[in-house]
Amino acid sequence: ETGVTQTPRHLVMGMTNKKSLKCEQHLGHNAMYWYKQSAKKPLELMFVYSLEERVENNSVPSRFSPECPNSSHLFLHLHTLQPEDSALYLCASSQDLASGEAGEQFFGPGTRLTVL
Amino acid sequence: AQKVTQAQTEISVVEKEDVTLDCVYETRDTTYYLFWYKQPPSGELVFLIRRNSFDEQNEISGRYSWNFQKSTSSFNFTITASQVVDSAVYFCALSDLSGTYKYIFGTGTRLKVLA
Repeated sequence: ETGVTQTPRHLVMGMTNKKSLKCEQHLGHNAMYWYKQSAKKPLELMFVYSLEERVENNSVPSRFSPECPNSSHLFLHLHTLQPEDSALYLCASSQDLASGEAGEQFFGPGTRLTVL
Repeated sequence: AQKVTQAQTEISVVEKEDVTLDCVYETRDTTYYLFWYKQPPSGELVFLIRRNSFDEQNEISGRYSWNFQKSTSSFNFTITASQVVDSAVYFCALSDLSGTYKYIFGTGTRLKVLA
């Protein structure tokens, strides 16, 4: 596998279910991100992990819970979601460059989530 | 505050036409980075270019070119001799020092290239 992979690619869940999204990067990067992409909305940054520590949490509802066990893996645990949470969830990684530099992000193919 | 505006929601062109996608940004920082990404129907965003605020040289890569103008806070993207495979949603993004690890994306421009 190369680049950034995400599983599953599609997920349908009820509002009472618990599921997890998985992301894996094979690029040796040290920062990973979760984004939410809804129709006609900008990409919304949800979580950022740098060196396995969470450094950004954009006021995401607690029904979304991230986990980063190591620099290559990132999870998004989902529970009691709402229909408005239906969206494409994208994972990305980047290399944390020298302080003040922003490297390019590499994205996975996304998980298309539908909440019934 | 940081902001990225892509005023063109959707553009349709006929194959072989040139097309320019506009991107206007706002930031208070003097050091920042600008990006363009392509999102084909498959969904995966593909990195196209990264430019820092101190490098105002225009860049050309094959049929793609970028025009960075700090005076107008714009970072426009031109595709020359467009092809059907260029059909995608294109996103402009900004990252500056005030938001380390934070990338602000525009709403995207959907480009349709008709055969």
